Amino acid sequence: QVQLVQSGVEVKKPGASVKVSCKASGYNFASYGFSWVRQAPGEGLEWLGWISAYMGNTNYAQNFQDRLILTTDTSTTTAYMELKSLRSDDTAVYYCARFGTGYSDYWGQGTLVTVSS
Amino acid sequence: EIVLTQSPGTLSLSPGERATLSCRASQNVRFTYLAWYQQKPGQPPRLLIYGASTRATGIPDRFSGSGSGTDFTLTISRLQPEDFAVYYCQQYSDSQYTFGQGTKVEIK
Repeated sequence: QVQLVQSGVEVKKPGASVKVSCKASGYNFASYGFSWVRQAPGEGLEWLGWISAYMGNTNYAQNFQDRLILTTDTSTTTAYMELKSLRSDDTAVYYCARFGTGYSDYWGQGTLVTVSS
Repeated sequence: EIVLTQSPGTLSLSPGERATLSCRASQNVRFTYLAWYQQKPGQPPRLLIYGASTRATGIPDRFSGSGSGTDFTLTISRLQPEDFAVYYCQQYSDSQYTFGQGTKVEIK
């Protein structure tokens, strides 16, 4: 069965970077992409960007173009999201999701990233 | 960027009632790229509907999606206790994703 397992809780100081991993299994990794979405406490869903798993093509939301890096490693079937220059308002649960044709059908469990001095 | 506006913000209904959720886009959305998700507290979103009207794998047939252009609707024909949650619409166009702000369906 399709599974996406994300790395654990992160606590970072303002200005630092965070890198979250998303290990995929149960399907042909190269045939899909990944979208990354975050959710601040008590808030709605915010799309960060997506990446094609095989070619590595990326597309970032305008608000994150200068500090977000998405990558994949086909040898370990893992996707990564790195967010730089963290601020307190980056505190959120970050989700990876398998990206199909315009929608995300399987989601990771989420990774809480807390940014605090 | 296409903005999605969901209404109402909160829907208070009883089990067995019908729920009608609206999602309005600021520009035309290709129907293929309109999806609906359900989210319960502490859980990731769950895909319900894609392509505006196609149920995802394992989704009960009490959930249905409709609409085109700028107006889309998610209908839950008879609310079950497990359906009380927050629902989001999402569109994908020009390589950009956006979500609506969500509709909370709560027990009356």
